[in-house]
Order: sequence, then structure tokens, then C-alpha cells
Amino acid sequence: GNSVTQMEGPVTLSEEAFLTINCTYTATGYPSLFWYVQYPGEGLQLLLKATKADDKGSNKGFEATYRKETTSFHLEKGSVQVSDSAVYFCALSEPILMNRDDKIIFGKGTRLHILP
Amino acid sequence: GAVVSQHPSWVICKSGTSVKIECRSLDFQATTMFWYRQFPKQSLMLMATSNEGSKATYEQGVEKDKFLINHASLTLSTLTVTSAHPEDSSFYICSARGRGQNTEAFFGQGTRLTVV
Repeated sequence: GNSVTQMEGPVTLSEEAFLTINCTYTATGYPSLFWYVQYPGEGLQLLLKATKADDKGSNKGFEATYRKETTSFHLEKGSVQVSDSAVYFCALSEPILMNRDDKIIFGKGTRLHILP
Repeated sequence: GAVVSQHPSWVICKSGTSVKIECRSLDFQATTMFWYRQFPKQSLMLMATSNEGSKATYEQGVEKDKFLINHASLTLSTLTVTSAHPEDSSFYICSARGRGQNTEAFFGQGTRLTVV
């Protein structure tokens, strides 16, 4: 079945460091890919998404490129800030045409700590 | 973005009682709603998917008689944890999305359930 694998945390970086959080997926068709972020004490919110191969999603300085050949959607940011400390979830959505149940499947999440 | 409201934010109940959690989409019609359980170390487990007006589709290993899901309208889904036990204590999160394939899902704030 469909699945998402992302690097385990926690990841601890200093402010202004370069960030990469790896994410790979397994899917039978052509999924959409997402990164969600969960700030402390809050619910999940969409950070960025890409719906087809070679698309690049970007938001708040974060980027991720949909790589079909490597089935990856790695999250990157050139210079992280303390306010980026949160849990990041990679996810995929693949429509199941017969019954409308297009599920969103999440990775286990990666906790990111940014030190001032 | 769209707003999904989840209520209550936290609840404490006695073992053996039932608890109902509501998930409302406030400014869009949610044709599909998802219920997740978030375990310690932040992994999100999809429990079930519900489409308005039809029975929920439960993931393997999730007891449908214990976790009753009702999606009676395009703006409301409920999760009832029946005969709750301490092992049901967890963080439950709902998510809603509108019509169309690969549309964005919006998340509720989550409900912290503690069974004593």
C-alpha cells in the first residue's frame, strides 16, 4: 500500500543553518505530496504541496521538489529561524477512483529544534 | 485558509464511559473527513475516512464498534469513543477536505482525551 517514510528526529540546528528533512514515498499511482507543520500546542497546517512530477512547492522560505524518479519530496530551507521549531510531516494523497476515499497518508513526523 | 473547528480541545472521562468529539468545517463543505490518532513521538495514524451521507471506511486494526464515526452533514463529523479505557487516551485529530481530487485538507486543533 501507499506509505511515507521521513527521517527520524529530533533534528537540532543553529539559527541560520541549512535544513534538509528527507521524505520518500511509495504509491501505486500519481499522488500529490504535501508537507504539513505542527507548531507547539497547535494543530497541523499545510506548509507546501506539489501535485505532479517536477513541481516545486514553496512557502515561508521552505521548498520541496516532487521527484518521481527517486520517489522523494525532501524539505529544504536555506536559513532556519528559531520560529521554525516545530514538527514537520510529509504526506501523500492519492485518489482511489472507485470510492472517492482519497486518503492522506502521513509520515511519522520530524521534530525540529532551532537553537538561537 | 479554511477553518476546521474541533471540540472539545481536551476531555477527561472515566473508564467505561463514552466520549463524543465533534469536527466542523466552518466555511466550506467537507465532502470527506478524516480522523487521526496521534501517538507519542508524534506519529499520525489514520483511523477512518468518512464521506458525507455514507458509512465510514475504517483502517485495518481500528475497531469500528469502539470508534463510531458519523458524517451526517457536509459540515459536521463526529467521533465517539465508546466504553473508553485508559489505553484509548491519546490526541485525536480530524481533517476535512472539499470536493475535487487532491484538494488540500484542513485540520482541526485536535482533542486530548484522557481516560482515568
